[in-house]
Amino acid sequence: GNSVTQMEGPVTLSEEAFLTINCTYTATGYPSLFWYVQYPGEGLQLLLKATKADDKGSNKGFEATYRKETTSFHLEKGSVQVSDSAVYFCALTRGNAGNMLTFGGGTRLMVKP
Amino acid sequence: DSGVTQTPKHLITATGQRVTLRCSPRSGDLSVYWYQQSLDQGLQFLIQYYNGEERAKGNILERFSAQQFPDLHSELNLSSLELGDSALYFCASSSGANNEQFFGPGTRLTVL
Repeated sequence: GNSVTQMEGPVTLSEEAFLTINCTYTATGYPSLFWYVQYPGEGLQLLLKATKADDKGSNKGFEATYRKETTSFHLEKGSVQVSDSAVYFCALTRGNAGNMLTFGGGTRLMVKP
Repeated sequence: DSGVTQTPKHLITATGQRVTLRCSPRSGDLSVYWYQQSLDQGLQFLIQYYNGEERAKGNILERFSAQQFPDLHSELNLSSLELGDSALYFCASSSGANNEQFFGPGTRLTVL
C-alpha cells in the first residue's frame, strides 16, 4: 500500500536558519505529492504540491522537488521565521483526481527568535 | 479561510453516546473527504463521497457512518463512542479536477 515517512520532530531552529524536513514515500504508479501545514489550533492548509517527477512546488519561500529516483519530496526553506512554527505534513495521492490523501506522521517545527 | 465549514467546533460527550458531525464543502466542490487526527494514529482517511455516492473507504470503523446530501453537505455519524474515538475530525473538499483538497477547521471530539 501507499505510505509516507517523515523525519520525526520536533525540529528546533533559530530565526533565519535553513530548514530541511525529509519526506520519502512508497506508492505504486505516479503519485501526486503535497506538503500541508497546520498552525496551532487550526486546520490543514496546502503549502505546495508537485504532480510529476522533477516538478518543483514552491510557496511562501518553501520549496520541494519531486524526486522519483529517490522517492523523496523534501521540504526546504532558506530562512525560517518565527511565524513558520507549525506542524508540517507530507502527503500523497495516487492515481485519478479525487483520491484520498495518505499522510506522514507530521513534523513539528519550532523557530526561536 | 478555505471555504469549508464544519460544525460544531468542539463536542464533549460520554462513552456509549452517538454524535453527528457536519461539513459544508466549498461552493462547487462535489467531493467530500473525512479524516481523523489522533495522537496515536496520526492523520487517517476515513471515507470519501462524490456527488452523493460513496467513492472510497479507508480505516473507518463499523460504528461510524457518513452520508452526503443532495445539497452536497456531509455528515459523519459516530455511535457507541469509546474513549479512543477522541480526536480531531477534519472534512475536506475538492472539485476532483487536480487532487487538491481544502480542509475545514475540524471538530474536536472528546469522549469522557
